Amino acid sequence: DAGVTQSPTHLIKTRGQQVTLRCSPKSGHDTVSWYQQALGQGPQFIFQYYEEEERQRGNFPDRFSGHQFPNYSSELNVNALLLGDSALYLCASSLRGLVYEQYFGPGTRLTVT
Amino acid sequence: DAKTTQPNSMESNEEEPVHLPCNHSTISGTDYIHWYRQLPSQGPEYVIHGLTSNVNNRMASLAIAEDRKSSTLILHRATLRDAAVYYCILYSSFQGAQKLVFGQGTRLTINP
Repeated sequence: DAGVTQSPTHLIKTRGQQVTLRCSPKSGHDTVSWYQQALGQGPQFIFQYYEEEERQRGNFPDRFSGHQFPNYSSELNVNALLLGDSALYLCASSLRGLVYEQYFGPGTRLTVT
Repeated sequence: DAKTTQPNSMESNEEEPVHLPCNHSTISGTDYIHWYRQLPSQGPEYVIHGLTSNVNNRMASLAIAEDRKSSTLILHRATLRDAAVYYCILYSSFQGAQKLVFGQGTRLTINP
């Protein structure tokens, strides 16, 4: 049973560019959450998708957007990249109603230069 | 968001028990206490959770104070693989919250 997978593993972008990160949830899970983890900090909640809609959002600007597909996979898009967007981006999947037990992927390391 | 307080770091020896404390004095009646850990170069993984009673699973035990204002994650016999950052999180779905709020966590070092 495959766990949560994320792609790519690493990414280097230039300030002002746009980036798309991808996530496939654990088999059987229908809810996907995205987190940003800066170096030395705990993960910070970006938003959550369920039934292809954004259900809850953390304190992140509109430059951060997402999508969930009918197969429950998800994308995180970040526009107009800033140096401060450099971080580990984590995807977590869960069953709706059991969000306390989230399964995290290994993350995508984004570096903005 | 309910707040937890944990020591920044702790150190222990292999094969000895480890007690990781967490203070959550503002916990509400609907908040569950959750623990996640993050091994180096990995995403966080769920460890254990509880509401009022002490809990045990194959990974750890969770001891919850009677007033619920503090809790302790217990690793009964630490191994080198237990070296990680441990996060204590309060979670409640009562008001429709669907997110985990991570703090700084405790960085646990295990000495061989």
